[in-house]
Amino acid sequence: GAGVSQTPSNKVTEKGKYVELRCDPISGHTALYWYRQSLGQGPEFLIYFQGTGAADDSGLPNDRFFAVRPEGSVSTLKIQRTERGDSAVYLCASSLRGLAGTNTGELFFGEGSRLTVL
Amino acid sequence: AQSVSQHNHHVILSEAASLELGCNYSYGGTVNLFWYVQYPGQHLQLLLKYFSGDPLVKGIKGFEAEFIKSKFSFNLRKPSVQWSDTAEYFCAVTPSGGYQKVTFGIGTKLQVIP
Repeated sequence: GAGVSQTPSNKVTEKGKYVELRCDPISGHTALYWYRQSLGQGPEFLIYFQGTGAADDSGLPNDRFFAVRPEGSVSTLKIQRTERGDSAVYLCASSLRGLAGTNTGELFFGEGSRLTVL
Repeated sequence: AQSVSQHNHHVILSEAASLELGCNYSYGGTVNLFWYVQYPGQHLQLLLKYFSGDPLVKGIKGFEAEFIKSKFSFNLRKPSVQWSDTAEYFCAVTPSGGYQKVTFGIGTKLQVIP
């Protein structure tokens, strides 16, 4: 597609439920990032993938959060046993491989998935 | 690990006023620096970037930023703001080279009054 696509755009769930958020990056972008943005805060890094593997998952807050990218394209962020504190906008971004194999660091963001946990 | 500090969380200006938003980063090596903008109801998008070379970089819509290595700063400027510049601005940093995570600041909300 032309840009990064995220679904659903809005998700309301009850405390304790399981949630999946999907990201479809720009075709050909090998790096994929998940961020979380709470009200009044900047994007908080969660995880990034280089291809199929998680190159850095140091931002995942606890083991209730997990993300996969099995074929190196679409990614799913999974949240188990949701808590009210998980309410936020979850942003996905992809990035193009730059010269000499480096990541240009220029991120292309999706519209985000707004998660509300009641 | 890298970090970013933005000094002004909320700025209100009249149209035609000059803008400067502060950004400082912390990292021991060379970095790539960015300013992203989020207009109301829209997704984050790149405003400008610095990788190397001329420390004064120009972006879209008349914005520019200057990288001062000795001060670990990358302040955003615009000589004359417009109402349409009302948005939230985020400074971001990533270590140069390789696939690295991009770290964002808390953001600055700019409100331009007509």
